[in-house]
Amino acid sequence: ILNVEQSPQSLHVQEGDSTNFTCSFPSSNFYALHWYRWETAKSPEALFVMTLNGDEKKKGRISATLNTKEGYSYLYIKGSQPEDSATYLCQYRDTGGFKTIFGAGTRLFVKA
Amino acid sequence: DTEVTQTPKHLVMGMTNKKSLKCEQHMGHRAMYWYKQKAKKPPELMFVYSYEKLSINESVPSRFSPECPNSSLLNLHLHALQPEDSALYLCASSPGGASNQPQHFGDGTRLSIL
Repeated sequence: ILNVEQSPQSLHVQEGDSTNFTCSFPSSNFYALHWYRWETAKSPEALFVMTLNGDEKKKGRISATLNTKEGYSYLYIKGSQPEDSATYLCQYRDTGGFKTIFGAGTRLFVKA
Repeated sequence: DTEVTQTPKHLVMGMTNKKSLKCEQHMGHRAMYWYKQKAKKPPELMFVYSYEKLSINESVPSRFSPECPNSSLLNLHLHALQPEDSALYLCASSPGGASNQPQHFGDGTRLSIL
């Protein structure tokens, strides 16, 4: 059974703190890894598409890295702001392209 | 505003009812997906349509029946559901074929089975 794990399950930080969380996925048949940001009562919003081992992507204060050989990706947020509060989901896609598995997400709370 | 529109936003139905969930996108995407999400759990893939053909059915019970009448529309027909089917149902789309592009999600339909 394929499994995608995210840790921690939830995280409480103060405004200005930097933080990071992990997504672990099967290293075999890897095709792509997606990070999404999901605010309550809204739809998940794509942050990054990671495909190559060693990929590093950055969007403003948020960045992500990828290690396909060991099967993990990190998401970093620098200088957290209250508006960063959301659930961050990773989605693994295998070489078939359509098969997708989501992690359970990391729920981030940023206190002003 | 999301580019994938799901209706209705909320649905309450009895176990003997027949209802349908609708999903629409006009981005020219050729792959569309249904997910089921229970509280504090990840979205679980149910069905995938690619170029209006069913590509993946993740062993979903037959009381859920998907339909893709054209490349912009995706329906999920519901019949004789069980209380454990209460969940958030998310629709998503992505560019055609098995691409690595991210999916675009709707806001979901919150379904409650009485």
